[in-house]
Amino acid sequence: KNQVEQSPQSLIILEGKNCTLQCNYTVSPFSNLRWYKQDTGRGPVSLTIMTFSENTKSNGRYTATLDADTKQSSLHITASQLSDSASYICVVSAQTNDYKLSFGAGTTVTVRA
Amino acid sequence: KAGVTQTPRYLIKTRGQQVTLSCSPISGHRSVSWYQQTPGQGLQFLFEYFSETQRNKGNFPGRFSGRQFSNSRSEMNVSTLELGDSALYLCASSGTLGGEQYFGPGTRLTVT
Repeated sequence: KNQVEQSPQSLIILEGKNCTLQCNYTVSPFSNLRWYKQDTGRGPVSLTIMTFSENTKSNGRYTATLDADTKQSSLHITASQLSDSASYICVVSAQTNDYKLSFGAGTTVTVRA
Repeated sequence: KAGVTQTPRYLIKTRGQQVTLSCSPISGHRSVSWYQQTPGQGLQFLFEYFSETQRNKGNFPGRFSGRQFSNSRSEMNVSTLELGDSALYLCASSGTLGGEQYFGPGTRLTVT
């Protein structure tokens, strides 16, 4: 069964500090992995999308890594800001005819001043 | 380019009623997916439409149904509402099957 596990479930960090979120998956065959940021009460917004051959991809202060061999990804937030407070969702797409997506439960990040 | 729009943004219904939610995808996008999001369950896939055909369906009861029109706009219907149907319903559009999804702001449904 295709699964996506995210950790931690939630975390609190001080403004200006860095943090790393983890995503482990069992989706096979693998197509791509996406990180989304979802502000409370809003729809998710794409941060990065990574394919099998990509190890690292950045989007401003967000850097995603992918290890397709161990089926792990991480999202690193550098110099956090209050606006980074949100839920971060890892989504993995299968390389099948229906491109089935598997969603992680998300990590809730709270940045405090 | 305008983003994905969903209407209404907020809705309050009572148990037993039915509801229809609407989604207008990004212009040119032919794939529309629907998701239910609750605090304890995260994003749950409902169904996906592509060129008016349902391509995928999640594990939801038959009370949940949808359709897509020739202009790619999509509607989702929930009949015989239950308290547990209270959730944020998100719609996402994509230019191609398996392509990057762009989410709308969601419809917050409250069933009392």
